[in-house]
Amino acid sequence: GAVVSQHPSRVICKSGTSVKIECRSLDFQATTMFWYRQFPKKSLMLMATSNEGSKATYEQGVEKDKFLINHASLTLSTLTVTSAHPEDSSFYICSARGQGVVNSPLHFGNGTRLTVT
Amino acid sequence: SQQGEEDPQALSIQEGENATMNCSYKTSINNLQWYRQNSGRGLVHLILIRSNEREKHSGRLRVTLDTSKKSSSLLITASRAADTASYFCATDRRSGNTPLVFGKGTRLSVIA
Repeated sequence: GAVVSQHPSRVICKSGTSVKIECRSLDFQATTMFWYRQFPKKSLMLMATSNEGSKATYEQGVEKDKFLINHASLTLSTLTVTSAHPEDSSFYICSARGQGVVNSPLHFGNGTRLTVT
Repeated sequence: SQQGEEDPQALSIQEGENATMNCSYKTSINNLQWYRQNSGRGLVHLILIRSNEREKHSGRLRVTLDTSKKSSSLLITASRAADTASYFCATDRRSGNTPLVFGKGTRLSVIA
């Protein structure tokens, strides 16, 4: 089945630094990837939709200059948390559908636990 | 924004018992999906039911969908300790490569 790989799984950074999270589709091409954020014991909140070769679409309330998304190829999307602050500490998860497959299940990465100290 | 509301928020049962989780949503949907999440991990797709379907089975899983009530239920029969996880419903509102909107989830604990 389709596999999405996310890296790193855990990262601890100091306040004010930037962190890049990678999301790769390993055995399929993903023109669109979705980035979610999850707080402890809470649901997934959609942050943005990453589109290959074009700008990401951000959900209301998500700062695009803080959460930079780049989808430079059909198999890689990156989320960069810029000038991280402790309130950015969270679990970030990416997901994708196979290329050309609509209204089908999403394949998720294993998530990245970000801790900002 | 969140679409689904799972009920109950937490459920604790003995191994061998059945577990039922409910989900309600607000807008019209293309399909509804159930996912499982182990602690600190990504989500794994369990089952998808389309808006024109009423019931679907997959192994020990049974999903129902009532579009008139905008609700769905997930039944896990003969539960096992390994079923301990959080379960989320997610709705797909439109046709196309659109994101899913997740409910708040039910934390299931199966005690051996």
